Amino acid sequence: QKEVEQNSGPLSVPEGAIASLNCTYSDRGSQSFFWYRQYSGKSPELIMSIYSNGDKEDGRFTAQLNKASQYVSLLIRDSQPSDSATYLCAVILFSGGYNKLIFGAGTRLAVHP
Amino acid sequence: DAGITQSPRHKVTETGTPVTLRCHQTENHRYMYWYRQDPGHGLRLIHYSYGVKDTDKGEVSDGYSVSRSKTEDFLLTLESATSSQTSVYFCAISESLTGTYEQYFGPGTRLTVT
Repeated sequence: QKEVEQNSGPLSVPEGAIASLNCTYSDRGSQSFFWYRQYSGKSPELIMSIYSNGDKEDGRFTAQLNKASQYVSLLIRDSQPSDSATYLCAVILFSGGYNKLIFGAGTRLAVHP
Repeated sequence: DAGITQSPRHKVTETGTPVTLRCHQTENHRYMYWYRQDPGHGLRLIHYSYGVKDTDKGEVSDGYSVSRSKTEDFLLTLESATSSQTSVYFCAISESLTGTYEQYFGPGTRLTVT
């Protein structure tokens, strides 16, 4: 089992719709969770971090964390074509004496007009 | 890019030659990381540093070495480049004082080994 799993997509949504991106992780001890956005040919950009169960909202983005079920999700409201990118889920694991950031392979989101 | 630069941004080199990539930060962050990103593998940690002269291996460290002589600079060296090291290399930084471990990435270096 991979440590962080995401559906590779592509997830295609119409402009103005809600995009829902999901991620599961294997280590029950994980405490820190992140969503990065990566445009083609660019570097990952941190867009959300979440540390406790529940929802965290920032503009059109909402991160949801459920530690009991070991999943974290990202909702993008009023999706725009400019949201089309690959979204990477990342989880902090404590391994080998240090905190290690483990990335999922990413979900490609396509927002069509 | 949170005050992080990488050089060079693009490089083509031949198999067997040594290559050094540089990461420079202006944020005075303690932790620095080198990742590679390949299709089908996502981002994988090569080496990281938790302070000047303090470095350790990540999950794909074979064939790579690093050095950090100043807080702001973290160098990645491919000792003898191979075609399997063709990849996009990202540097990242983080500051653990807040306990959040958020990492911020540089713009990347695209390396091609022929």
